Amino acid sequence: DQQVKQNSPSLSVQEGRISILNCDYTNSMFDYFLWYKKYPAEGPTFLISISSIKDKNEDGRFTVFLNKSAKHLSLHIVPSQPGDSAVYFCAARAYQAGTALIFGKGTTLSVSS
Amino acid sequence: DGGITQSPKYLFRKEGQNVTLSCEQNLNHDAMYWYRQDPGQGLRLIYYSQIVNDFQKGDIAEGYSVSREKKESFPLTVTSAQKNPTAFYLCASSVTSGNTIYFGEGSWLTVV
Repeated sequence: DQQVKQNSPSLSVQEGRISILNCDYTNSMFDYFLWYKKYPAEGPTFLISISSIKDKNEDGRFTVFLNKSAKHLSLHIVPSQPGDSAVYFCAARAYQAGTALIFGKGTTLSVSS
Repeated sequence: DGGITQSPKYLFRKEGQNVTLSCEQNLNHDAMYWYRQDPGQGLRLIYYSQIVNDFQKGDIAEGYSVSREKKESFPLTVTSAQKNPTAFYLCASSVTSGNTIYFGEGSWLTVV
């Protein structure tokens, strides 16, 4: 029973266009959500996060949207660049549980020039 | 430079042997974690530690053991009881448990 789901294993986008990566969750206790980017054979790097009290957070080309009623968040990358090609992981935490982050299975983004 | 150092980067193990993966951090973080990545499986939590001398099992702790004798160090032992140990292992840390975590570069373990 996955608590964090990334239902699209892969996404292909042209350079300059928008990339939208989606994530769904089932645990209503989650109060903090994060996106990580990972290149092959490297550790993931933190990209952007959002608290459950917000519905949008923006950092440069990256924007995360949170829809609590739908238990859905998305990462928008505008404009997409070839260097954005990587695996993107969605993660969530339930603060009251005091546990570690729970990750989705990841979405592989390919940006073509 | 502050960061998380994992060693070795590549490790080969014969079946039936125990191996230990090292993880050291100089970020002064209280919490440390071990995750495992398999193709199509995402990142799965093996063990985590919120404070020195304390640790909790994650989702896939069977066949693994850890210790947290120092704040900076959180070694992971892959025992012979782990049925499918070949994977990419990631150590991470955070200021406290549940906050943004930062990863090391990972260690590849292959059983031959």
